[in-house]
Amino acid sequence: EVQLVESGGGLVKPGGSLTLSCAASGFSFSSFSINWVRQAPGKGLEWVSSISNVATYIAYADPVKGRFTISRDNAKNSLFLQMNTLRAEDTAVYYCARFSKSGMFYYIDVWGKGTTVTVSS
Amino acid sequence: QLVLTQSPSASASLGASVKLTCTLSSGHSSDAVAWHQQRPEKGLRYLMIINSDGSHTRGGGIPDRFSGSSSGAERYLTISSLQSDDEADYYCQAWRVGSWVFGGGTKLTVL
Repeated sequence: EVQLVESGGGLVKPGGSLTLSCAASGFSFSSFSINWVRQAPGKGLEWVSSISNVATYIAYADPVKGRFTISRDNAKNSLFLQMNTLRAEDTAVYYCARFSKSGMFYYIDVWGKGTTVTVSS
Repeated sequence: QLVLTQSPSASASLGASVKLTCTLSSGHSSDAVAWHQQRPEKGLRYLMIINSDGSHTRGGGIPDRFSGSSSGAERYLTISSLQSDDEADYYCQAWRVGSWVFGGGTKLTVL
């Protein structure tokens, strides 16, 4: 079964740091690019960051640029998101999401169940 | 700038059909769009990708009650023979180099 399992969420004070992990199984992890996507309470989905299969391409959404770092360890089938200088507006459920290509377009085809990050004093 | 627009809510009766719309912003009418379902306590699930010509590919295990179509800049998700389990939030998603975009979501109520 293709699966993505996030961990590492929790309560952190503003200005603090947290590292999220995503463990992949059931597919060839090193062949796929992965996103982090978040969802603030009661809100819609927001893309956070992307990393290509061998980490040659990395991109960040403007709200997290310079504060978050995405990385992966293909030998351990794992994805990470290092989050620094956290703000209240970073409070959300964070999902890792595999993406695939159809013609010229990319689309998410597998979602994890998410891990909750709460930034509050 | 790529923007996806969805109606905030929709409703239809048990057993009926409903058509959800995702509208691509100007200049992006040739883009593909993916649809995702978020049911309460069940997480997110990829449903299908819809191309500008209306061709679509469902994800594994998605029943053929879910179908897709296109017209101009609009990408449609049609759910037929509605079940109570279809009550969920539905998000469309597109991609451009350097960024991913989601619609605001449509909350579907099954009456």
